[in-house]
Parts: sequence; C-alpha cells; structure tokens
Amino acid sequence: DSGVTQTPKHLITATGQRVTLRCSPRSGDLSVYWYQQSLDQGLQFLIQYYNGEERAKGNILERFSAQQFPDLHSELNLSSLELGDSALYFCASSVGGPGNTIYFGEGSWLTVV
Amino acid sequence: AQKITQTQPGMFVQEKEAVTLDCTYDTSDPSYGLFWYKQPSSGEMIFLIYQGSYDQQNATEGRYSLNFQKARKSANLVISASQLGDSAMYFCAISRDDKIIFGKGTRLHILP
Repeated sequence: DSGVTQTPKHLITATGQRVTLRCSPRSGDLSVYWYQQSLDQGLQFLIQYYNGEERAKGNILERFSAQQFPDLHSELNLSSLELGDSALYFCASSVGGPGNTIYFGEGSWLTVV
Repeated sequence: AQKITQTQPGMFVQEKEAVTLDCTYDTSDPSYGLFWYKQPSSGEMIFLIYQGSYDQQNATEGRYSLNFQKARKSANLVISASQLGDSAMYFCAISRDDKIIFGKGTRLHILP
C-alpha cells in the first residue's frame, strides 16, 4: 500500500458525460501528479500541483481540469468524454517536487462507452 | 527536452537468472533523478529504485540494482535471481524540476 488513495477504482460512463476522479496523497506529501495510461500512449504526464498551486502541465486536454484543495487532496475533472479517453488514470504524490520519489495510487479505470 | 528510451518492448527470462532492463535518457540538465517502477498485471505502479545524477554509487534495493553510467546516459535495472513474481511491465523515468517523464516500458516474462 503506497498510502495514495484514489476513488473510484472503476468507472463506466457514456460519451459526452463528465466525471471527477479523486486523489488523497500520502500523509505529509505536498505534491500531487496526475498521469493517464492508455494502451497506445503509454504513461502520459497530465499535471502537477504543489501545495495547492499548479506547478507543471503536460499533455492535458482542455476538456480536462484539475485542482488541489487546501487539505491537499486533488481532483481531476474530465468533461465531454470521448471513447479515446478510456484509460487508467493515476494519481501520485511526493514530499516535494519531482526530485523526490513519487508514489502512485492504484489508479482509476475509466471506460467510456 | 528530456527523453527516456526503453528499447526492449518484451523479454523472456528463465527463473533464477539475472535480468538487465535497458534504459537510456537524454537530458542536458546536470541535476536529475532516475527511477524504475514495476507494474504487474493488476495495474498498480510500484516504486523500485532511485538514482540521483550526483550519486557516486549505484543504487541497490534488495534484488534490484541500478547500473548507472552517466557518460553513456544509461540507467539499466538489474534484477538478480529472478522470480515468477517479477513478471510485469517495468518503466524507467527521469525527473527534473516539475516533471517526471516515463519511458514506454519493457514487459518482462519470467519462465518457470
């Protein structure tokens, strides 16, 4: 158990819908990262937050947004879902920035039908 | 820009043999970190080992060691005495500043 908690673990939704994925980092970790893993794209970095502020952005679509709350948990919002958004979404956390080891949650499996 | 390359999409290894998974990287930054993660079929990402660019010695964690050759920009993972439970996807990653970038992974199959 990495200490990073993600909910829900599995989610099936229809195209055009909106979903929210939730992440609680390990106790004491200030950084939260979101990654998308699909079969054809590998593990893609989406976005990173540090202590509530956005620090880095990767290949995150405009239909996707995220935030980190004062209690340090984070949410990833995916809207206007398309079939191609079906993937495993990981949250990870670390004490500081990316120079520290990041620990992953178990992921949220999203299936868009 | 940073880049991570794992040239072995798949490997088959006999149980109890040692395994070397290749990873090369490309960065112009003097300070960076290198990581290896294991992803079994259940999907979770498990941290295995870390090597800092200024570390003088190769990192080791139990049966895992990292063969760090800075001049060659390679950070190969060595698994000694492989076990059936080592069958999984393995990812190499590099960190610097605000991003951690992953390679495409190597799928390792351990044969009984």
